[in-house]
Amino acid sequence: NAGVTQTPKFRILKIGQSMTLQCTQDMNHNYMYWYRQDPGMGLKLIYYSVGAGITDKGEVPNGYNVSRSTTEDFPLRLELAAPSQTSVYFCASSYLLSPANTGELFFGEGSRLTVL
Amino acid sequence: KNQVEQSPQSLIILEGKNCTLQCNYTVSPFSNLRWYKQDTGRGPVSLTIMTFSENTKSNGRYTATLDADTKQSSLHITASQLSDSASYICVVSVGTYKYIFGTGTRLKVLA
Repeated sequence: NAGVTQTPKFRILKIGQSMTLQCTQDMNHNYMYWYRQDPGMGLKLIYYSVGAGITDKGEVPNGYNVSRSTTEDFPLRLELAAPSQTSVYFCASSYLLSPANTGELFFGEGSRLTVL
Repeated sequence: KNQVEQSPQSLIILEGKNCTLQCNYTVSPFSNLRWYKQDTGRGPVSLTIMTFSENTKSNGRYTATLDADTKQSSLHITASQLSDSASYICVVSVGTYKYIFGTGTRLKVLA
């Protein structure tokens, strides 16, 4: 069982370039998330999805876009990369334990992005 | 405003010693609270979950407590090992699909 798989693990971009971070999960989870983690800071939510075809903004969505065409895949697109987007990006998925109780978050291994 | 605060920010202990990490939260509606361990360069991994009605839960050398009245949780690590060196993140679930993260406690265990 692979869990949550992210690619690439590392990437260096020049200012103004675009790229897509790939994320796929094989646990049939409805909920998927993209977070960024900056040094000394908690994880910040960029975008999330509660199911195929449904996405919504998190705390820090500017400069990013997402899509969710299937349950398994949730790619994150960076348009016109800026130095402020230098960070470690984590994709995660989760499920419902009960109607009012969320399940465990399963994280990918992270993608370290540097924008120069 | 939903918030999760952790203390201390960092901690250094000797191998074999015990330690306790703290988490205070202001979150509504509270669903559950989890402690995650994040090794350097890796994604966070869940250690334990606490629901509203639970006071204590253990997972090997890790014991989590929850006081829903004071909105505080703690993670106690017994007989620390070098492999316990990591960041420990307190995460509170809000409703059905939202999570609020603390900034973590960075633990270093020295031989």
